[in-house]
Amino acid sequence: DAKTTQPNSMESNEEEPVHLPCNHSTISGTDYIHWYRQLPSQGPEYVIHGLTSNVNNRMASLAIAEDRKSSTLILHRATLRDAAVYYCILGGSQGNLIFGKGTKLSVKP
Amino acid sequence: GAVVSQHPSWVICKSGTSVKIECRSLDFQATTMFWYRQFPKQSLMLMATSNEGSKATYEQGVEKDKFLINHASLTLSTLTVTSAHPEDSSFYICSARRGGGILNTEAFFGQGTRLTVV
Repeated sequence: DAKTTQPNSMESNEEEPVHLPCNHSTISGTDYIHWYRQLPSQGPEYVIHGLTSNVNNRMASLAIAEDRKSSTLILHRATLRDAAVYYCILGGSQGNLIFGKGTKLSVKP
Repeated sequence: GAVVSQHPSWVICKSGTSVKIECRSLDFQATTMFWYRQFPKQSLMLMATSNEGSKATYEQGVEKDKFLINHASLTLSTLTVTSAHPEDSSFYICSARRGGGILNTEAFFGQGTRLTVV
């Protein structure tokens, strides 16, 4: 399974936008890019996913580079409840999700 | 939306005993479920893929005789930690996806089970 690279941690101020980067230079043509987040002592929660085009949903936006070797998760207005570990994952061929270390996002009031 | 439910949320057991964790998909059928383990301050590690009606597929380094997986129905998979030891203490999480187009669907995760072996 292709791997992703994310910063270990990021900080944001409340109500400001947050851009979480992810590099996936070995992505294959059929790999979807998935983002999940995990709050302490909880199971991961789906955020967004995409293949080639940018995607928007009620939680976030996903900007995918034209060469698909990187992507950025955008939280338009961070809230304290968005403080979590964010995982960028390339969809496995077996349907499984292989988690990397993720980015720990801290949100300051 | 779809929900995956795990039970129990936490369990404390004595060393040498066995513990069963249930994972249910509440409003969709899941032919495949996934079991993860997460140690403190670490990421999720995939343990095994549970397949309805057939044997589970275990990741390298995961003992199949110690972590028994049963997927007897399309909505229930169980993980039994046999002869548990303190080093098995961890956060166990299951996951499932709606059937069909599995690469392009969101995965739903249970709330996790905190196992403490004393």
